[in-house]
Amino acid sequence: AQSVTQLDSQVPVFEEAPVELRCNYSSSVSVYLFWYVQYPNQGLQLLLKYLSGSTLVKGINGFEAEFNKSQTSFHLRKPSVHISDTAEYFCAVSEKGIGRQFYFGTGTSLTVIP
Amino acid sequence: GAVVSQHPSRVICKSGTSVKIECRSLDFQATTMFWYRQFPKQSLMLMATSNEGSKATYEQGVEKDKFLINHASLTLSTLTVTSAHPEDSSFYICSAADRGPVYEQYFGPGTRLTVT
Repeated sequence: AQSVTQLDSQVPVFEEAPVELRCNYSSSVSVYLFWYVQYPNQGLQLLLKYLSGSTLVKGINGFEAEFNKSQTSFHLRKPSVHISDTAEYFCAVSEKGIGRQFYFGTGTSLTVIP
Repeated sequence: GAVVSQHPSRVICKSGTSVKIECRSLDFQATTMFWYRQFPKQSLMLMATSNEGSKATYEQGVEKDKFLINHASLTLSTLTVTSAHPEDSSFYICSAADRGPVYEQYFGPGTRLTVT
């Protein structure tokens, strides 16, 4: 089974500053990678996904992530955050060809400070 | 496209009663549906995986007799919490995957269950 680590449980950042949310996974097999955002009392919304090809993936709301196979990482970045980005962010991994199960990280709470 | 709904969004029930939560794929056929449980400020914990017309596969530690899952059609799965207790209070989220590539799940908005 996969292990997905989000090292930062809470990240406070000032408005308009850049942010990086870190995600590392354990598998040595080929994977699909996802970042989701969750607002209070809501379900998960897909921000972006890596399936294959270019290692730099662009998503919605100005977010992007870079897949680094050698470091088994998929860090999420945004060059300038807004108040509305305050939410919980989850990294998820799915193993290619091994069913549909998603393995989720423990989440990072992003708080944008005005 | 790829919208998943859940009903109800919130439910309060008394200890000892049962409650049913519905998960529907609105614009696609969901061959596989997943049920997750999320405790406050924690990640999603997969409870079970269900394929249409088959029995659900439960994760280790999840009581199949307590959390009954039915996936009777390609657009509907239900989770019934039987004889609910306060410790069953949680946020339950379903997701659905279609017949396409296996790599994507579409998540519902979640159901907040409170057992008093």
